[in-house]
Amino acid sequence: KAGVTQTPRYLIKTRGQQVTLSCSPISGHRSVSWYQQTPGQGLQFLFEYFSETQRNKGNFPGRFSGRQFSNSRSEMNVSTLELGDSALYLCASSLDPGKTQYFGPGTRLLVL
Amino acid sequence: AQTVTQSQPEMSVQEAETVTLSCTYDTSESDYYLFWYKQPPSRQMILVIRQEAYKQQNATENRFSVNFQKAAKSFSLKISDSQLGDAAMYFCAYRTTSGTYKYIFGTGTRLKVLA
Repeated sequence: KAGVTQTPRYLIKTRGQQVTLSCSPISGHRSVSWYQQTPGQGLQFLFEYFSETQRNKGNFPGRFSGRQFSNSRSEMNVSTLELGDSALYLCASSLDPGKTQYFGPGTRLLVL
Repeated sequence: AQTVTQSQPEMSVQEAETVTLSCTYDTSESDYYLFWYKQPPSRQMILVIRQEAYKQQNATENRFSVNFQKAAKSFSLKISDSQLGDAAMYFCAYRTTSGTYKYIFGTGTRLKVLA
């Protein structure tokens, strides 16, 4: 079974721009979670989607948003990028909420 | 609120030796899950081992085992016969069994394996 895939793997943007990241979960997995990983803050939970609905949301500003499609694929969007948004964005999928999460390789975002 | 603490930012171990990574957590819940994830330099986070709090028996996966002390809220990872491929960041994580099912991660321990 293919693992979690994330695209793109690397991205360079400038302040003020917006960005969309994509995540395809493991086949059959219906829950997708997003995390931001930075050296200073570690892994921080952004949000979780299940059945096209946001189940949970972390403590991030409204510039961070996401959605899930009927095939369980998920996208996250960051608008009005700031330098501090530079991070590795990890997506994780699980069969259902509450099941073990499996992570993708991440998207490395650099904001200049 | 639940918290997860990994007090060792970095550890080193000689190849073929044994190393133990520490993790403590704080929660008022009686049932939950604990995990160890490994993140090698390639950045793909990999599940190493998981423990269900209601099970007293410590989980084991090949060379990886945990020492789960529920009363002390401690969840350490022991790696036996360390290999060069074990070099990575190791994250301890906590997850509730109901409600939000949110994962809470520790700050990680970087493990170096010396040849």
